[in-house]
Formats: sequence, structure tokens, C-alpha cells
Amino acid sequence: GQQVMQIPQYQHVQEGEDFTTYCNSSTTLSNIQWYKQRPGGHPVFLIQLVKSGEVKKQKRLTFQFGEAKKNSSLHITATQTTDVGTYFCAGLEAGGTSYGKLTFGQGTILTVHP
Amino acid sequence: DGGITQSPKYLFRKEGQNVTLSCEQNLNHDAMYWYRQDPGQGLRLIYYSQIVNDFQKGDIAEGYSVSREKKESFPLTVTSAQKNPTAFYLCASSISVRDEQYFGPGTRLTVT
Repeated sequence: GQQVMQIPQYQHVQEGEDFTTYCNSSTTLSNIQWYKQRPGGHPVFLIQLVKSGEVKKQKRLTFQFGEAKKNSSLHITATQTTDVGTYFCAGLEAGGTSYGKLTFGQGTILTVHP
Repeated sequence: DGGITQSPKYLFRKEGQNVTLSCEQNLNHDAMYWYRQDPGQGLRLIYYSQIVNDFQKGDIAEGYSVSREKKESFPLTVTSAQKNPTAFYLCASSISVRDEQYFGPGTRLTVT
């Protein structure tokens, strides 16, 4: 079945440093979604990418979708303590028997030291 | 106030007992989902439903059952056949399976 791998598993940064997490799918994706989960909380949707090579920005966050629609990245510029949490990518498989099934990566746990 | 509610927040059961987790949404979403999250791990899909009276198995459906008799409700039963039921259970909904998912606050189930 479809697998979505996310690296790194953990990232510790000093406040003000940049952060990037990478996501790779074993199959071509219809779209990819990114979520953030604060400690003790539930996942909250950040963004969805649909087009090959798409790049979207939300303030200090930049999201990219690969040309082959099999990989994606999230980059945070100048991290702040409010960025702390676990960032998940989730891929929706393009066609096949698993239509409608969103597969989550393992997540990257971001710690920001003030 | 629209959203997804899950109850209870914490649930304790003895081994061998079935337990049903509640999930209700008033967002008028067609699709609903159940995920399991273990410490330090991602979300694993248990079951999902694209529309009322229909549901599909996810990656880890063994030992679980669901029903979708109403659009607003998607209860999950953790049966005694589930070998390691202690986990954090998250319910979500979306307009359709292609759209972003909205998550409930979760139920933390402990079975001893």
C-alpha cells in the first residue's frame, strides 16, 4: 500500500533559525495536505497543494509540491516559540483502490529554544 | 458554534470489554474518519466514510467497528479483539474525501 515517509523525526532549533521538513510518497499523489498538532492538541489543517511544482506561502511558512507529485516540503523562516509542535504531511493517493484514503507521514516534532 | 465533538475526553476500561467512542459533527460534512495516534507516531487510519450508510476499512481496521446511520455521527467501537487498544483516538470530517479534514479534540482510551 501507499507509504508516506517524513523526515526528520525530530528537529531542535534556536529561535530565529530556519526549519524544514520533507515528505516523500511511494506513489503519485492527487494532493498533499499539511497539518500542525500542538502538544496535547489535535491536528489543525495548514494548507493543501494540488498542482505539480506548486509553491504556496503563509507568512513565514513556505510549502512546495514536487514536479512528480510524490514529494513535498514545509519550510519555516525565522522560527518562533509559537511554531512548536508536530508537523504532518498527508497524501491523497491518485486513483487506485484506495481512493479517499489520506495517508499521514510520521510527523516532525519541532522544538524551538528561546 | 460549529465543529466536531468527541466524548469523553478520557476513557478507562477493563480488558475484554467493548467500548464505543462518540463523534458528532455539525459542519454538514459528507466524509468522516477515525484515526489512532500512539505516542511519537503519526495518525493511522482505522475507518472512513464518504457518505451516510457507507464506510471503508483503513489501514488498521482489525478489532474495530463503525456505523454511519446519520450524516452527523460516526461512532467507533473498540472491541475486545483489538490487541492493543490503549491510544489516542481522533475523529475528523471533511466536505469530501479530497478536502481538508477538521479534527475533534480526541479521546484518550486506557485499557487495563
